[in-house]
Amino acid sequence: AQTVTQSQPEMSVQEAETVTLSCTYDTSESDYYLFWYKQPPSRQMILVIRQEAYKQQNATENRFSVNFQKAAKSFSLKISDSQLGDAAMYFCAYRSAWYSGGGADGLTFGKGTHLIIQP
Amino acid sequence: DGGITQSPKYLFRKEGQNVTLSCEQNLNHDAMYWYRQDPGQGLRLIYYSQIVNDFQKGDIAEGYSVSREKKESFPLTVTSAQKNPTAFYLCASSIGQGRDSGANVLTFGAGSRLTVL
Repeated sequence: AQTVTQSQPEMSVQEAETVTLSCTYDTSESDYYLFWYKQPPSRQMILVIRQEAYKQQNATENRFSVNFQKAAKSFSLKISDSQLGDAAMYFCAYRSAWYSGGGADGLTFGKGTHLIIQP
Repeated sequence: DGGITQSPKYLFRKEGQNVTLSCEQNLNHDAMYWYRQDPGQGLRLIYYSQIVNDFQKGDIAEGYSVSREKKESFPLTVTSAQKNPTAFYLCASSIGQGRDSGANVLTFGAGSRLTVL
């Protein structure tokens, strides 16, 4: 079974600064997807960014980018020019690329990092 | 607009009662999921369904039951056998697996908060 670890329960950053959230995972699979989801105080889960393991290039979405290190099984999220609206819980998640029926489908989540933005 | 609707948003239950949480999607997604969220625990998978009339247990299925009679609907029943049901419950759906840009992404509803009195 896959596991996802987020070692930072809470992070704080000044508005307009850059912050990096860490995520490591454990898997024996070679083909999979990785995600960062954001959960603001409304508790609505919002997709931030998606990375395909077979692609070397790191995914980017505006101010959000990832550093995907497949050999190290590391998937960190960098938020540039932090804004007050970025304050939320951030969850790293893993999904197998092809469901073989031998294991559960769906996403495996880390326990989350609470990001605080200081004005 | 397409999306996932969960109801009720807040639910209170007395011990020993069964309750059913509703999840409806109009995204034409094949797969649907139920997750439970507890403070400091992240999200844990309860049940999932990849097609109508079929569903599979996730990591924490004990004390829960589901049905998938229609593609759009995936209700979750929290039974009296669930020892600690107070939690936030999230329903999600997915177009399925593949190499398309939208594949593999889970879209979530707004959640239901269940409190046992």
